[in-house]
Formats: sequence, C-alpha cells, structure tokens
Amino acid sequence: QSVLTQAPSASGTPGQRVTISCSGSSSNIGTNYVYWYQHLPGTAPKLLIYRNNQRPSGVPDRFSGSKSGTSASLAISGLRSEDEADYYCAAWDDNLSGDVIFGGGTKLTVL
Amino acid sequence: QVQLVQSGAEVKKPGASVRVSCNASGYTFTGYYIHWVRQTPGQGLEWMGWINPDSGDTKYAQNFKGRVTMTRDPSFSTAYMELSRLTSDDTALYYCAKDHQYNSAWFPGHWGQGTLVTVSS
Repeated sequence: QSVLTQAPSASGTPGQRVTISCSGSSSNIGTNYVYWYQHLPGTAPKLLIYRNNQRPSGVPDRFSGSKSGTSASLAISGLRSEDEADYYCAAWDDNLSGDVIFGGGTKLTVL
Repeated sequence: QVQLVQSGAEVKKPGASVRVSCNASGYTFTGYYIHWVRQTPGQGLEWMGWINPDSGDTKYAQNFKGRVTMTRDPSFSTAYMELSRLTSDDTALYYCAKDHQYNSAWFPGHWGQGTLVTVSS
C-alpha cells in the first residue's frame, strides 16, 4: 500500500475539467514538493508538474497542480481523448530518509 | 534531443542477479543525476535510487538497500543498475530517468523506454 493515496480511477467526458487528488502526511506532502507524472501504457512516464505547480516546457497549460497542507491535486481542463492514462503523484518522504515515494496511481478514462 | 536507451529484456532464475544499462545522449551525461524506478505487474511506480554520474555517489531506497548497486561509466555515457538475489516479486519493468534539474538530486524528468525483467524458475 502506497504512502501517498490516490483514487484508483477517475473519468470525464471530452472538454470537461477533472481533478485527481493525492493525499499524504506531514512527512511527505506536508513539507516537500509534489510532482505529477503521466503514464500511457507501453510508453515511458512523462513529467507533467514539478514543485507543486510548475509545468516543464512542452506541457500544455490545460494541466495544473496545486497543494494544500498534506494533499495535492492535478487538474486537467479541456479534457481530450489522448489524456486517457495513469497519473501518479510523487514526493520525498522525510520518514524514509528522503526517499522518493509515488502514489498508487489514478487511471483516467475519457468517456 | 535527450535520449535514454536501455538494454533489452532479461529472464532470470530466482537467486540470480540482473544488470540493466541505460545509455544517455543529447545532453551532458555528468550534469544530471540518473534515477531508477520500477513498475511491477499491475502495480504502480517504485523508486529504487539515484546515482550522480559525475562523482559516482549513490542513494538507494530503503526497500532496496543491500540488494541494488548503481554504477556508471562516463566515458560511455552509460549508467547501470544491478539487482541481486532476485525473486518472483522482482519481475517488473525497470526504468532509468534523467533528473529534471541540473546537478541536483530531485526527481525523474526524462525517462528511458524501460527494460522488462522476468524472474522465473
């Protein structure tokens, strides 16, 4: 069981806005940055959001990240069929000597 | 452009070791830490550790200490991950990834294509 908790699934229709949540604790999200990754089956994971809310170059502004207390969220607006993928949050955990920990992942289905 | 090309699939017996390579191109190899992450069947991502390609310094995840060894050869812009005492639980897709930040150990940025390691008797 992952230290960072994500709902196993989420869904939305094209054009809709969906939010994926990631819940942690004071030793990880509460004191460290949150990162988000998109993983399409059969491809390499892709960095979507770094340091809570920063987008690497090339990532559309439809993707946004936020953090509050010990929880974080990834929002996807203007949902597209190509957004159907697994989404993972990640953070350092101070109780694990700064190891990187991942959430269990949320499978997003575009209906 | 940045490319991380990993070695091919491996099949190993329980108790054996496996070494996966990761050849980098398109950037200064010694300028970015290399992370190793795996994905077990039907499961999520699990971070294994990182190596500083410049100094060779390493940090291993608690779950893998004593079983994993990360090395590099800057002359070939290649990083290696060796995992020993394999069990069926180690059957997974293993990824290398370049850190997204220069000269710092932060988080994986650009990822390789993955190497499937199957452990079976």
